[in-house]
Amino acid sequence: DSGVTQTPKHLITATGQRVTLRCSPRSGDLSVYWYQQSLDQGLQFLIHYYNGEERAKGNILERFSAQQFPDLHSELNLSSLELGDSALYFCASSVGISGNTIYFGEGSWLTVV
Amino acid sequence: AQSVTQPDIHITVSEGASLELRCNYSYGATPYLFWYVQSPGQGLQLLLKYFSGDTLVQGIKGFEAEFKRSQSSFNLRKPSVHWSDAAEYFCAVATGGSQGNLIFGKGTKLSVKP
Repeated sequence: DSGVTQTPKHLITATGQRVTLRCSPRSGDLSVYWYQQSLDQGLQFLIHYYNGEERAKGNILERFSAQQFPDLHSELNLSSLELGDSALYFCASSVGISGNTIYFGEGSWLTVV
Repeated sequence: AQSVTQPDIHITVSEGASLELRCNYSYGATPYLFWYVQSPGQGLQLLLKYFSGDTLVQGIKGFEAEFKRSQSSFNLRKPSVHWSDAAEYFCAVATGGSQGNLIFGKGTKLSVKP
């Protein structure tokens, strides 16, 4: 158990809908990272937040957004869902802003039908 | 552009046999390199990482990896594979100086024969 908690573990939704994935980082960790793992694209970095502020963006679609709250949990919002958004979404956390090992949660499986 | 290539999609080895998983990277500066393992239904677990110094890096679960700059490689090895090592293995390179902003290879699935 990495200490990173993600909910929900599984989610099935229809095209065009919007979902929110939640991540609670390890106790004391200020950084949260989001990754997408799909069959087509593999593992891709989406976005990084540190202490509530966005620090880096990767291959995140405009239909997707994220935020980190004062209690340091983070949410990834996915809207206007398409079939191709079906994937495993990982959250990871670390203590610092860049120089620390990151720890991954078990992921949220999203199926868009 | 930065990239990581894992040439083998799937490898099968017998239990007790040695293992080598290949990883090649493309990165302009000195790379920060990682190996992660993903068991079915689990998140990614860090096996080992290389930043600088000794090019042979020891990790958890008896794994080691060797950084070879001349070959742009960072291959993962284990002298004797156990059935519990069956999983998917990912090589990654850090970008932007951040251990959290990673470019991953496509992964190598390891099956272990009894």
